[in-house]
Amino acid sequence: DTAVSQTPKYLVTQMGNDKSIKCEQNLGHDTMYWYKQDSKKFLKIMFSYNNKELIINETVPNRFSPKSPDKAHLNLHINSLELGDSAVYFCASSQNQGGLETQYFGPGTRLLVL
Amino acid sequence: KNEVEQSPQNLTAQEGEFITINCSYSVGISALHWLQQHPGGGIVSLFMLSSGKKKHGRLIATINIQEKHSSLHITASHPRDSAVYICAVRSKGNEKLTFGTGTRLTIIP
Repeated sequence: DTAVSQTPKYLVTQMGNDKSIKCEQNLGHDTMYWYKQDSKKFLKIMFSYNNKELIINETVPNRFSPKSPDKAHLNLHINSLELGDSAVYFCASSQNQGGLETQYFGPGTRLLVL
Repeated sequence: KNEVEQSPQNLTAQEGEFITINCSYSVGISALHWLQQHPGGGIVSLFMLSSGKKKHGRLIATINIQEKHSSLHITASHPRDSAVYICAVRSKGNEKLTFGTGTRLTIIP
């Protein structure tokens, strides 16, 4: 069984569109994260939610809005997509607000904005 | 200049060789992490260090807090070690997480 799953795996869309990426974890973890990895392989944390509450919000444009309907899901909605949003987006989860060493990563969603 | 620098950016070696990947950082840290990203994209945490040295199988990670430097070593390298290795540091105080750009390792049979 997949521990942290993301859909879709690949997403190709045009500038200006609105899109969502879904993340689900079946580990019973309390904390979920979104990371962005750009074309130079730079990973950067975007958001962290603990029990459906936002605890980390790095300087991410407000076009990005995470939504956590329950603690097993953390979806990422992106409005008015821009070329610079092209990246791989990774979801992760951990029990409590664990450090990076305790986080389980999803397989990533490769977003290409044309 | 990035707060976390890795070297080399790319490394190709023959199977069996001893591998060293370096990570230097410029801020005070509470912890340093080494991650492995497989060709398919999956990311796995290898080590968390705050001092000294850790070993797991053929992997060894060391850190020198005074010199703000960490190394990841792989002994008896194998093609399945081919991956991108990423260093990340957690800043002391604000606990901000900063990632290096990664080192792409290719082990040739």
